[in-house]
Amino acid sequence: EVQLVESGGGLVQPGRSLRLSCAVSGFTFDDYAMHWVRQPPGKGLEWVSGISWNSATIGYAASVKGRFTISRDSAKKTLYLQMNSLRAEDTALYYCTKGSGGYTHVDSDYWGQGTLVTVSS
Amino acid sequence: QSVLTQPPSVSGAPGQRVTISCTGSSSNIGAGYDVHWYQQLPGTAPKLLIYNNNYRPSGVPDRFSGSKSGTSSSLAITGLQAEDEADYYCQSYDSSLRVVLFGGGTKLTVL
Repeated sequence: EVQLVESGGGLVQPGRSLRLSCAVSGFTFDDYAMHWVRQPPGKGLEWVSGISWNSATIGYAASVKGRFTISRDSAKKTLYLQMNSLRAEDTALYYCTKGSGGYTHVDSDYWGQGTLVTVSS
Repeated sequence: QSVLTQPPSVSGAPGQRVTISCTGSSSNIGAGYDVHWYQQLPGTAPKLLIYNNNYRPSGVPDRFSGSKSGTSSSLAITGLQAEDEADYYCQSYDSSLRVVLFGGGTKLTVL
């Protein structure tokens, strides 16, 4: 059974940093692209970042480029999102998703339950 | 405002057919990138509903179907049921922006 378990969310002050983690199981982590998708309270989905199976292709939404860094650790089967210089508008439920293939333009066939990030003073 | 445009809301009575449109441009849907659809029931994570324009993952009823033409895609739901009440999102890739795109989402109300 495929499982994606996010952690690391919480309340953080503007300008501070946070690192999200997504521990996966039930599939060969090294074979698939992974993504972070966020959803502000009461709003729609926004793609944040994606990383290909071999980390050769990485993309970011314009809203987070230069502030967020995605990475993956195959030994730990974990996806990360380092979030720096956080702003109030980064407040959202952050989902970890598994791509159905190795590249970042494919669909997300599995989603975690999300971890909530609240940026407020 | 999303690059992929969806109607904010649609509605239909039980048993009816509804469609949800997703309009893009020549750098995403029109460039040949596949469109995927997700269903998000209240209080839950999104779930893949349609992938690669018109394929259903295992377990998705055949009441749900997708299509793509030019710079647009559509999700059709036939035999509407109360349990279909949810938010629906389309997704594609933009080669100009080099980003994954989601539509703004459509709230389906079953009357």
